[in-house]
Amino acid sequence: GDSVTQTEGPVTLSEGTSLTVNCSYETKQYPTLFWYVQYPGEGPQLLFKVPKANEKGSSRGFEATYNKEATSFHLQKASVQESDSAVYYCALSGPSGSWQLIFGSGTQLTVMP
Amino acid sequence: GGIITQTPKFLIGQEGQKLTLKCQQNFNHDTMYWYRQDSGKGLRLIYYSITENDLQKGDLSEGYDASREKKSSFSLTVTSAQKNEMAVFLCASSRGQGYYAEQFFGPGTRLTVL
Repeated sequence: GDSVTQTEGPVTLSEGTSLTVNCSYETKQYPTLFWYVQYPGEGPQLLFKVPKANEKGSSRGFEATYNKEATSFHLQKASVQESDSAVYYCALSGPSGSWQLIFGSGTQLTVMP
Repeated sequence: GGIITQTPKFLIGQEGQKLTLKCQQNFNHDTMYWYRQDSGKGLRLIYYSITENDLQKGDLSEGYDASREKKSSFSLTVTSAQKNEMAVFLCASSRGQGYYAEQFFGPGTRLTVL
């Protein structure tokens, strides 16, 4: 079945350093790929989504490229801030006819001042 | 825009008790979901509903019942609360499939069982 594997946390960085959260997926279809962010005490919210291979999504300084050949969708940010501390989830849309999103297990990021 | 409201925000129950969590959305979305999130862990799907009066089981449906009374509301019942259980229950809704599978989440109900 379809699946998503992402960097195991927790990840701790200092402010101003760069971030990469790896996300790899398995599917036989052509999914839309998503990155979600969950701040403490809140539900997850969409960071951005990308429907097509070789396209890039971006928001709030975060970006990821849909790499169909490598089946990857790695999240990157050049310079993290303390306010980026959150849990990040990679997800893909389910097979045709499915209403579900397939979520990765989440990566806890803590940014130290 | 829209919003998802979950009630109650905090729920404290006793072992063996039946507990009900409620969710309302004003996005006019057809599909709604219930997830469980344990501390430090990911999202596990309990139930979802494609349309009013529809119910589909997720991977974690045992021990839970759900009800989709109308398009805008989706309830989840813990049939028998387990002692020392602590988790956050998240409700979500979405418009469709594929590109439109984006789910909008509520703030969660935090359950503690004494």
